[in-house]
Amino acid sequence: AQSVAQPEDQVNVAEGNPLTVKCTYSVSGNPYLFWYVQYPNRGLQFLLKYITGDNLVKGSYGFEAEFNKSQTSFHLKKPSALVSDSALYFCAVREGGEGYSTLTFGKGTMLLVSP
Amino acid sequence: IAGITQAPTSQILAAGRRMTLRCTQDMRHNAMYWYRQDLGLGLRLIHYSNTAGTTGKGEVPDGYSVSRANTDDFPLTLASAVPSQTSVYFCASRQGSASTDTQYFGPGTRLTVL
Repeated sequence: AQSVAQPEDQVNVAEGNPLTVKCTYSVSGNPYLFWYVQYPNRGLQFLLKYITGDNLVKGSYGFEAEFNKSQTSFHLKKPSALVSDSALYFCAVREGGEGYSTLTFGKGTMLLVSP
Repeated sequence: IAGITQAPTSQILAAGRRMTLRCTQDMRHNAMYWYRQDLGLGLRLIHYSNTAGTTGKGEVPDGYSVSRANTDDFPLTLASAVPSQTSVYFCASRQGSASTDTQYFGPGTRLTVL
């Protein structure tokens, strides 16, 4: 069975500072990893995904994530946080392979960026 | 391009009533999903459909049913609503069967069962 853990319910960071939102995963095969963002009263928006290749993945709005196979982690990062980055962030994993497979989400981490 | 639309936006429902949440996508995606989002629990999969005419159970299917008569529509029905089904419901779709494919989400339906 696949699973995702987001160990922090909330992350607080000052505007202009770097941010990290943590995610660890568990799958039996190759992982395909995703980050989504949810703004208040909105649906989830895709940010980025890791499939294969370079361990550092760049996505929307200046976000990036680093895949670390040995630590089974896929932490979301941004060099300089903006107040507008404040939102709920979800990490998700899908096991690779043939055919359809479902996506498993973490419980989410609320990011609060203060001015 | 509208993407995924959900209706209603929000609904207050008396316990025991039947309710259908509507989901329509115009991207011709094969796979569609229903999730519920609850505080502290994240998103949990209720039901899914890999292609028109097929459906499957997710993590929390009890009390819910779905149908997939065509590619575009994937309604979720609560046959007899209970207060524990108070939640925000999201519909999503995915184009293909590749594990690399991205899922896209609708705006959600906020349901309150009293």
